[in-house]
Amino acid sequence: GENVEQHPSTLSVQEGDSAVIKCTYSDSASNYFPWYKQELGKGPQLIIDIRSNVGEKKDQRIAVTLNKTAKHFSLHITETQPEDSAVYFCAASPGTGTASKLTFGTGTRLQVTL
Amino acid sequence: KAGVTQTPRYLIKTRGQQVTLSCSPISGHRSVSWYQQTPGQGLQFLFEYFSETQRNKGNFPGRFSGRQFSNSRSEMNVSTLELGDSALYLCASSSTRDTQKLFFGSGTQLSVL
Repeated sequence: GENVEQHPSTLSVQEGDSAVIKCTYSDSASNYFPWYKQELGKGPQLIIDIRSNVGEKKDQRIAVTLNKTAKHFSLHITETQPEDSAVYFCAASPGTGTASKLTFGTGTRLQVTL
Repeated sequence: KAGVTQTPRYLIKTRGQQVTLSCSPISGHRSVSWYQQTPGQGLQFLFEYFSETQRNKGNFPGRFSGRQFSNSRSEMNVSTLELGDSALYLCASSSTRDTQKLFFGSGTQLSVL
């Protein structure tokens, strides 16, 4: 089955700096890669996703890049703000089929300090 | 549009008891998935329901079960609770147009004493 590894497990950045979280996956059939943000006391919230037919996707201060050859994808957050502090999860899926095909990474705790 | 609603938010049980958790999906969503989240194991898939049918099941013992009703609301049940069942149980719904995009509820925090 699919295996998703996520690094780093914790990340501390100063407000205004950029943050990068990296994930690798094992199944070459995976072609859907979402990122979720989980704030304290809440469930994960989808913040951005990418499919394998594109290499990069941006949404305001966040972007995701995908390298299918190397089987890795990354989340980039620019101009970080205190409200970006949360746990971020990457996931990978074959893209066809059901939600159960999503395999999650172990999470990155991002802390943005003033 | 209201989000995914899970009840109760917190639950304390003792070993050997059973528990039922409830999930109301986003209106119009017919797929409901359940996940167990623990600090050590991360997010682990329990099962998925679509139109009252269990479509997939994760690698959990038979003590974990679920069902879905005709209005797409779902319940999960855990019988003979063990200490290791303490976790945050998350429900997620998705639309038939894009079953991969999960919308999570805030979860039920279950503590087994």
